Amino acid sequence: KNEVEQSPQNLTAQEGEFITINCSYSVGISALHWLQQHPGGGIVSLFMLSSGKKKHGRLIATINIQEKHSSLHITASHPRDSAVYICAVQDSGNTPLVFGKGTRLSVIA
Amino acid sequence: KAGVTQTPRYLIKTRGQQVTLSCSPISGHRSVSWYQQTPGQGLQFLFEYFSETQRNKGNFPGRFSGRQFSNSRSEMNVSTLELGDSALYLCASSLASVGRDTQYFGPGTRLTVL
Repeated sequence: KNEVEQSPQNLTAQEGEFITINCSYSVGISALHWLQQHPGGGIVSLFMLSSGKKKHGRLIATINIQEKHSSLHITASHPRDSAVYICAVQDSGNTPLVFGKGTRLSVIA
Repeated sequence: KAGVTQTPRYLIKTRGQQVTLSCSPISGHRSVSWYQQTPGQGLQFLFEYFSETQRNKGNFPGRFSGRQFSNSRSEMNVSTLELGDSALYLCASSLASVGRDTQYFGPGTRLTVL
């Protein structure tokens, strides 16, 4: 079974800072997901990737298959980015997602 | 297009009771997955249904069950509730199976077991 580790667990940043959240997993995967959860519980899927890099607005997700590692970057962070960011992986096409514990981000104005 | 809806949003039950939670996916989505989220364990996969068939089941006791209807709506049932079943239950839908398509999450049902 895949083990998913995220770092850091908690992160406080000043508005405008560049933020990096890391995710490592133990077994080869078919897909990696980055999710965002705001206070109140709602979850939004940010990215699903299996190789390379994806960008959406100020968010960038990268994955290194050989190193079993992914990063989520936020450029020009804003208080509205404050949320829990969760990494999830899938071993193969038909297996369930395995989740990391999440990174709690607070961006202060 | 309407998002994923879950009912009820909040529920309070007592130990030993049973509960049924409902999830209506985005129109056209055939895959519905259920997840349990607790402060201690984080997010854990419960089950996935695709075109009325259970494709995967997580490591939960048999008290947790689910089903999917022909219109893709899904229900999950927990029987003989225990205090540890208190959690946020989330469902997510996607066009294709998990891992092949983006998942869209509902707002969740917060279950409290007293």
